[in-house]
Order: sequence, then C-alpha cells, then structure tokens
Amino acid sequence: GAVVSQHPSWVICKSGTSVKIECRSLDFQATTMFWYRQFPKQSLMLMATSNEGSKATYEQGVEKDKFLINHASLTLSTLTVTSAHPEDSSFYICSAQTSSNTDTQYFGPGTRLTVL
Amino acid sequence: GEDVEQSLFLSVREGDSSVINCTYTDSSSTYLYWYKQEPGAGLQLLTYIFSNMDMKQDQRLTVLLNKKDKHLSLRIADTQTGDSAIYFCAERTDYKLSFGAGTTVTVRA
Repeated sequence: GAVVSQHPSWVICKSGTSVKIECRSLDFQATTMFWYRQFPKQSLMLMATSNEGSKATYEQGVEKDKFLINHASLTLSTLTVTSAHPEDSSFYICSAQTSSNTDTQYFGPGTRLTVL
Repeated sequence: GEDVEQSLFLSVREGDSSVINCTYTDSSSTYLYWYKQEPGAGLQLLTYIFSNMDMKQDQRLTVLLNKKDKHLSLRIADTQTGDSAIYFCAERTDYKLSFGAGTTVTVRA
C-alpha cells in the first residue's frame, strides 16, 4: 500500500519549452502533496505544498509563475516547469501524505529533468 | 536542511552493524523519519518514531531517540550489500519535513 507514481521518469527538453510532471497516489487518497527538488548529492528541498482544490503554498525563493502546481483531485498533482532553462535541470520528487495519525509522506520515484 | 545534520559517509563490512547518526534542532518536532534512497530513485520510508518514544525496533532496524540532546540514530543489524544507499533523516514540524543532507552508506565485502 501507499504507492506514489510519477510520470515521466525522465525528460529532456529544449530551453524555453514547458514540461509537465505528474504525481499520482495509486492506492490511497492524498489530501496533501509536496514537491521537492534535489540537486546531485544534496538533500531534498521543499518547493511547494499542494492541497486538493486550493492554491499551492510555495516556499520562499520558489517562483510560483515558474513552477505551476495543480492539484485537481485527491490522487493527482501536476508540476509544470514553464519556459525551462538549463538551471532548472534537476531531480524533482513528489510525495503524498495520508490522513493517518502519523501523516506519513510517501515519495514518488522522482523525475529527472534535463534542459538543453 | 540546515536544521538537520548527518555525517556524510559511512563504510561498513558486510554482516556488521551500521549506525547512522542525526541531530536536529526543532524541539517541537512531532515525528522523526528515516528514508532510504537508492541511485536514481525516490525515497523509501524505512521507519519513523514519535517524539515521545525512546526506541523503536523493526526487524533489522533499531531507532534510538534522545530528545534531550535532539539526537536520532538508526542501527542496521547484519548489514547486507543491498543496504548500500543514501539514508536521510527527517524531522516533521507542523506538516513539513526537513531533511538532513543524507549519509552515504557503502557496504564492503
């Protein structure tokens, strides 16, 4: 149980294009989903918190117009990197939080974005 | 996260025990977690401990929490080659997780 998927697992795009990454909770409903960014050999940095049906809450320094988040249902959140540039190349990981007592976050397998 | 610190590397012989240490700063943390990340993959939840507990054991994993010193450790008994990975500790405050930089564990034969 508590499986989270991401699609695509990797993507290469040209500079200036937009890329959409999907995050799905497969066997549970997630009231809250989180988007993280991980640079090589570094920890995860929280980008934004997404609650179903409401606007995402972005962390300080994260441009909301650059990283568009949509949380349309209790099982799906999307992150769109708009007008991507090489410095946006990174490993993007989502997590979904259950509504259990522990509110544990379960992580997706990540999406490797490379912007040429 | 700057509030969670871990040693960066640990090398251990196969069959020995591994101990990974972590310190955190926020005394209002409710839960503390250990996650495992293999190359190119997401994070796998290994175990967690509630902040009012001292110890939790789950098969080969033992978590010790010293709340006074804000110190968390993960002991892996009988370490195997498949345990080679990066291990992250994380503290939960409110609804957010703050991660350490990760400890790279290398298991040698």
